[in-house]
Amino acid sequence: QITLKESGPTLVKPTQTLTLTCTFSGFSLSTSGVGVGWIRQPPGKALEWLALIYWNDDKRYSPSLKSRLTITKDTSKNQVVLTMTNMDPVDTATYYCAHEIAAHRPAFDYWGQGTLVTVSS
Amino acid sequence: QSALTQPASVSGSPGQSITISCTGTSSDVGGYNYVSWYQQHPGKAPKLMIYEVSNRPSGVPDRFSGSKSGNTASLTISGLQAEDEADYYCSSYTSSSSLYVFGTGTKVTVL
Repeated sequence: QITLKESGPTLVKPTQTLTLTCTFSGFSLSTSGVGVGWIRQPPGKALEWLALIYWNDDKRYSPSLKSRLTITKDTSKNQVVLTMTNMDPVDTATYYCAHEIAAHRPAFDYWGQGTLVTVSS
Repeated sequence: QSALTQPASVSGSPGQSITISCTGTSSDVGGYNYVSWYQQHPGKAPKLMIYEVSNRPSGVPDRFSGSKSGNTASLTISGLQAEDEADYYCSSYTSSSSLYVFGTGTKVTVL
């Protein structure tokens, strides 16, 4: 079965760079059509899509955060990494990674449990 | 890219039907049949309930149904049950450079 799990720091300081890792099983990012995305949710607020990477290394980013985000994959390790630069307290949120249902069919059918990242000095 | 608009809250009694709306534009909801709906219980990850406007993933009860008219999509829960109390989010493909846009979220309360 498909599982995903996020890992990374729980606390980062303002201006620092956040690096989150999504480790998954049950599928391969070398298989045609597969995509993995990142979504975040500030406490008590709505979901916000951040980025997505496909099996062919096609990458998509939220326009409002594009300048701060980088998404990469390590197929051999079954991992997707998201980096976000210049962190600010407003970036405090639970960050989720998720599996896209099928090739360019926009919906996420499997989600990680999420990891809460707090930005504070 | 602006978030899709949902009502902040919807409530109903057990057994009743409720409908949650999700309003966008012709660049997202109205232009593509790529609307999905997610259910989120407190402290849990979202769960996909509907994709491509009206398709249910395996395991989702048929009490949940989706539809779309123009720039507005809808999620209907029939025969409301206590366990349906949760937050619900819509999402759509968007032709802007962003690919995905989520809704503002709706809290469903079972009275």
